[in-house]
Parts: sequence; C-alpha cells; structure tokens
Amino acid sequence: DSGVTQTPKHLITATGQRVTLRCSPRSGDLSVYWYQQSLDQGLQFLIQYYNGEERAKGNILERFSAQQFPDLHSELNLSSLELGDSALYFCASSTIAGPSETQYFGPGTRLLVL
Amino acid sequence: AQTVTQSQPEMSVQEAETVTLSCTYDTSENNYYLFWYKQPPSRQMILVIRQEAYKQQNATENRFSVNFQKAAKSFSLKISDSQLGDTAMYFCATRQGGSEKLVFGKGTKLTVNP
Repeated sequence: DSGVTQTPKHLITATGQRVTLRCSPRSGDLSVYWYQQSLDQGLQFLIQYYNGEERAKGNILERFSAQQFPDLHSELNLSSLELGDSALYFCASSTIAGPSETQYFGPGTRLLVL
Repeated sequence: AQTVTQSQPEMSVQEAETVTLSCTYDTSENNYYLFWYKQPPSRQMILVIRQEAYKQQNATENRFSVNFQKAAKSFSLKISDSQLGDTAMYFCATRQGGSEKLVFGKGTKLTVNP
C-alpha cells in the first residue's frame, strides 16, 4: 500500500458525460501527478500540482481539467467523454516537487466509456 | 524529447532463476533519474528500484539490481531468485533534471513459471 488513495476504483459511463476522479496523496506529500494508461498510448503524464498550484502540464486534453484543494487532495475532471477516454487513470504523489523525488502511485481508477 | 524503449514485450523465467529486462533511453540531459516500476495483475504501480544518473554505483534492492551503462544509455533490471510473485508488467521510466514528469517505456510482461 503506497498510501495514495483514489476513488472510485471503477467507473462506467456513457459518451458525452462528465466524471470526476479523486485522489488523496500520502500524508505530508505536497505534489500530485495524474497519469493515463491506455492500451494504445501506454502510460502518459497528464498534469502536476504542487501545494495547490499547477506546476506542469503534459498531454492533457482541453476536455480534461484538474485542481488541488487546500487539504491537498486532487480531482481530475473529464468531460464530453469519448470512447477513447477509456483507460486507467493513476494519481501519484511525492513529498515535494523536484525530479529527484520518487513518485508513489495510487491503485488507479478504471474508466470505461460506453 | 525523452524516449524510453523496452525491446522485450514478453519474457518468461523459471522460479528461482535469474532474468534480465532491458531498457534503453534517449536524453540530452546530464542530470536525470531512472526508475523501474512493477505492475502486477492488481494494476497497482509499485516502485522497484531507482538510479541517479550521477551515481556510478549500480542500485540494488534485495533481489533486484540494475546495470546502468550511462554512455550506452542502457538501464537493465536483473531479478535474482525469481519468485511467482514477480509475475507482472515491468516499466522502465526516466525523469530529466529539468522536468518532473515520468516518461515510461511500453513495458515488459514477465511471467515466472513454477
């Protein structure tokens, strides 16, 4: 158990809908990262937050947005869902921001768009 | 841009034997970090081992060790005394000094046979 929690574990929804994925980092971690794992694209970095502020952006679609709240939990919002958004979404956290920091991953949220 | 290549999509090994998973990467940076993550059937991403590029000594964690060849940009993972619980997807990842995102390879599916 990494100490990172994600809810829900599974989510099934329809095209065009909007969903919110939630992540609670390890106790004391200030930095949160979101990754998407799909069969065709592999594991891709989406976005990073540090202490409430966006710090880095990767291959995140405009239909997707995220935020980190004062209690440091983070939410990833996916809207106008398409079939291709079906994937495993991981949240990871690290103590501080910095390339030397090890990222610890949560169990993931499996999203299925029908 | 960083790229990570894992040339072995699948491998198998007998229990108690040793196996080596290959990884090559491309980077223009001098300061970077390398990681191996394990993803068992539960889909959890688990850190196996990490290596700082500035360190010449190869990292070791119990039965897991790496062979880091900086000039060749190679970072292979050796698993000794393989156990059934080592059956998983193994991902090689890199993180450059100026960036905090992890860049992953496509993964190697390892099966340990009894």
